[in-house]
Amino acid sequence: EFVLTQSPDILSLSPGERATLSCRASQSVRSHLAWYQQKPGQAPRLLIYDAVKRATGIPARFSGSGSGTDFTLTISSLEPEDFAVYFCQAGAFGPGTKVDIK
Amino acid sequence: QVQLVQSGGEVKEPGASVKVSCRTSGYTFSKYGVSWVRQAPGQGLEWMGWVSSNTDKRKYAQKFQDRVTMTTDTATATAHMELRSLTSDDTALYFCGRVPTFYYDSSGYYPSNMDVWGQGTTVTVSS
Repeated sequence: EFVLTQSPDILSLSPGERATLSCRASQSVRSHLAWYQQKPGQAPRLLIYDAVKRATGIPARFSGSGSGTDFTLTISSLEPEDFAVYFCQAGAFGPGTKVDIK
Repeated sequence: QVQLVQSGGEVKEPGASVKVSCRTSGYTFSKYGVSWVRQAPGQGLEWMGWVSSNTDKRKYAQKFQDRVTMTTDTATATAHMELRSLTSDDTALYFCGRVPTFYYDSSGYYPSNMDVWGQGTTVTVSS
């Protein structure tokens, strides 16, 4: 069974800090991985697709890297509006990483 | 602009079926697929399945394979998801999303990311 795992479960940081989120696939997905941001009461928003491409309108502080089974979402300097839950997806979704305010 | 507008909330009894609609606008419906995702209260996202733009390709998550049907109606640019034999575990917020492309590997076709999402439809299963 194909599974995506994310780490950490919770990331407590302050505005202005760098956030590094990980996603690991149980088998290779080549570069076919996406990242989403979800805030309470809202639908998810696409941030990154094909592992490294920013979706339309996404700020440059969001970047994606990786291929095969190991992927990373980096937020270079956290803004107040970035505190949310982040999911990776390759067909199935990972369980999510919550980025909250320290 | 691109919009996906979903049908209203539903309350169903256990054992019943529910059909959720996703009406699209602002793009050429026939050039994109649609995926369906659900989110139980306080939980993460669960991918349910995908249907290609002309419905000649589809892939359902194994968990739902026996009781879900996803279709599209190009005349009305609307996608539908029907889930049967409902239980309380199906109580969730259901989302549709536009899928720009698809891939192929040894397990068959599978969808790419969801670049635009509907607002969600609440389905409550209760006796």
